[in-house]
Amino acid sequence: SSDLTQDPAVSVALGQTVSITCQGDSLRSHYASWYQQKPGHAPLLVIYTKDNRPSGIPDRFSASSSGTTASLTITGARAEDEADYYCSSRDDSNNRLFGGGTKLTVL
Amino acid sequence: QVQLQESGPGLVKPPQTLSLTCTVSGGSLTNGDFYWSWIRQPAGKGPEWLGRANTNGISSYNPSLRGRVTISVDTSKNQFSLRLTSVTAADTAVYFCARDIVWLGDLFFDACDIWGQGTMVTVSP
Repeated sequence: SSDLTQDPAVSVALGQTVSITCQGDSLRSHYASWYQQKPGHAPLLVIYTKDNRPSGIPDRFSASSSGTTASLTITGARAEDEADYYCSSRDDSNNRLFGGGTKLTVL
Repeated sequence: QVQLQESGPGLVKPPQTLSLTCTVSGGSLTNGDFYWSWIRQPAGKGPEWLGRANTNGISSYNPSLRGRVTISVDTSKNQFSLRLTSVTAADTAVYFCARDIVWLGDLFFDACDIWGQGTMVTVSP
């Protein structure tokens, strides 16, 4: 089991906005980062430290956090956004944690 | 740009030791600001962080592995390695190496920004 909990699956219509959530006590004290993973590929960092995007990540990806819940929002979802999304944080011993993942389907 | 590549046996017998190497190209791992992590992902599940180390001798490991894991860094070869002892079928997974950054200059980064492509390891008699 993971200390970060995600909904297993979420769907969004093409061009619409979708939020993927992550819950865990560690999020009260530590930032979440978010990764996108497509089949057969390594995870790709899309958000780090609250709401920062690495170079090359489109600005339709954003993030927020409140209490024990962090959210990744995709505004204007595109077909290529269909993937698994994982949140990550750390515990108070600085061990990295990962959520179980959310499969995003773009309809 | 920096790239990571995992290498090692794809099949390990229980209760032997799993050993993997990650080769860093396009940059040096001597920067003490970076950590070098191993992360695994069983089929259909989320990633599991195994641990990390840096060139300053600082390392930390997932306590759930109960002392079975060791990560070492070899600056002369620009490689870092994973050693996981007493493997069982539960250790079957895709194993990734990754660059792990806490601080990037004055920026609190706290994420793994570069990953290898992953290598499948099966534990079976």
